[in-house]
Amino acid sequence: GAGVSQTPSNKVTEKGKYVELRCDPISGHTALYWYRQSLGQGPEFLIYFQGTGAADDSGLPNDRFFAVRPEGSVSTLKIQRTERGDSAVYLCASRGQGAAGELFFGEGSRLTVL
Amino acid sequence: KQEVTQIPAALSVPEGENLVLNCSFTDSAIYNLQWFRQDPGKGLTSLLLIQSSQREQTSGRLNASLDKSSGRSTLYIAASQPGDSATYLCAPSSQGGSEKLVFGKGTKLTVNP
Repeated sequence: GAGVSQTPSNKVTEKGKYVELRCDPISGHTALYWYRQSLGQGPEFLIYFQGTGAADDSGLPNDRFFAVRPEGSVSTLKIQRTERGDSAVYLCASRGQGAAGELFFGEGSRLTVL
Repeated sequence: KQEVTQIPAALSVPEGENLVLNCSFTDSAIYNLQWFRQDPGKGLTSLLLIQSSQREQTSGRLNASLDKSSGRSTLYIAASQPGDSATYLCAPSSQGGSEKLVFGKGTKLTVNP
């Protein structure tokens, strides 16, 4: 597609459940980022992929969060044993032309944990 | 650790005014800096990208400047319109490693007709 696509756009789940959020980056973009945005705050970095590997996962808050990008394109953010504090908008972004290129964001997945 | 501050947090102006949004960052070792706008409930739309070697970038009514050594960037919006109402976010990209963007909390702009 022309832009970064994220699904689902909205997800409501119960505390303790497992959740998967999907990101389909712009075709050919090798760099992929996940961010989390809470109400009234700027996005916070979670994890960065260069190709298939997670080159920087320093932003993941704890071991309940995990992300994969097995074929270097689509990425899935996985959250185990969800907590109410995980409620936020999860944003995905991709970049093409090396370290100095422009970052393009998707519309985000809004996660609500009841 | 890079920290980004945006001033003011909120701004309300009448239509037609020229305005300046300010962004400061603590670590000057950046690749570039991007300005985004975010409409309520939406993702981020890239407005301008300034490379670390550049002083400014222009797109239509928008002009962004960068003073890397002092850790400052400004976004100038000329002849503001109600459609410009949104939250504006600046994000420098740190050197070395992931080149991840670090965001401030943004400036919420309201342009009144």
